[in-house]
Amino acid sequence: DQQVKQNSPSLSVQEGRISILNCDYTNSMFDYFLWYKKYPAEGPTFLISISSIKDKNEDGRFTVFLNKSAKHLSLHIVPSQPGDSAVYFCAAKGGNQFYFGTGTSLTVIP
Amino acid sequence: NAGVTQTPKFQVLKTGQSMTLQCAQDMNHNSMYWYRQDPGMGLRLIYYSASEGTTDKGEVPNGYNVSRLNKREFSLRLESAAPSQTSVYFCASTGRGQGYEQYFGPGTRLTVT
Repeated sequence: DQQVKQNSPSLSVQEGRISILNCDYTNSMFDYFLWYKKYPAEGPTFLISISSIKDKNEDGRFTVFLNKSAKHLSLHIVPSQPGDSAVYFCAAKGGNQFYFGTGTSLTVIP
Repeated sequence: NAGVTQTPKFQVLKTGQSMTLQCAQDMNHNSMYWYRQDPGMGLRLIYYSASEGTTDKGEVPNGYNVSRLNKREFSLRLESAAPSQTSVYFCASTGRGQGYEQYFGPGTRLTVT
């Protein structure tokens, strides 16, 4: 059973607007959450992370929000740029293992 | 620094053949991982090595073996390839005290016919 879910396979956003990517998880023992960005034919690259003891982490245009009671996290990208077009994966750490969602393909329209 | 390197980039095998996927990192990281990525499935952990000399199963270990040859290298072996092992394989590493972010290699695209 998928412990980390990204229910939106794709998202299109106009350049300059906000992109919001969502992720849900089922295991309350997860203690760290990460977002990765992936371009075709490349490995994922780390974007931003958050510890389970926090509810927000910000890095430039990227902000991750964590709602532990809802077992939900989201990635906000403001403003969105065409170079942000990629597949975004959320991941959760449980013990020494990491569990990934199925990814959301973001397209930023110029 | 090359980061995480993987060889080969592409491979085609016939059912029943064996092969080893190689991974190396030059970041002095303790932990290394092997994932497979299939359409609609995200990345799934096959095996990981939390430190040199240790290996553990992940979510989908059946049909695979691993070797942590030294701190730098972590190989994945398919003893008898099956069409269900057609996938893109990624190696990753992470260092202690670096916030758990993983550094990924470019991937190996494997097709088993």
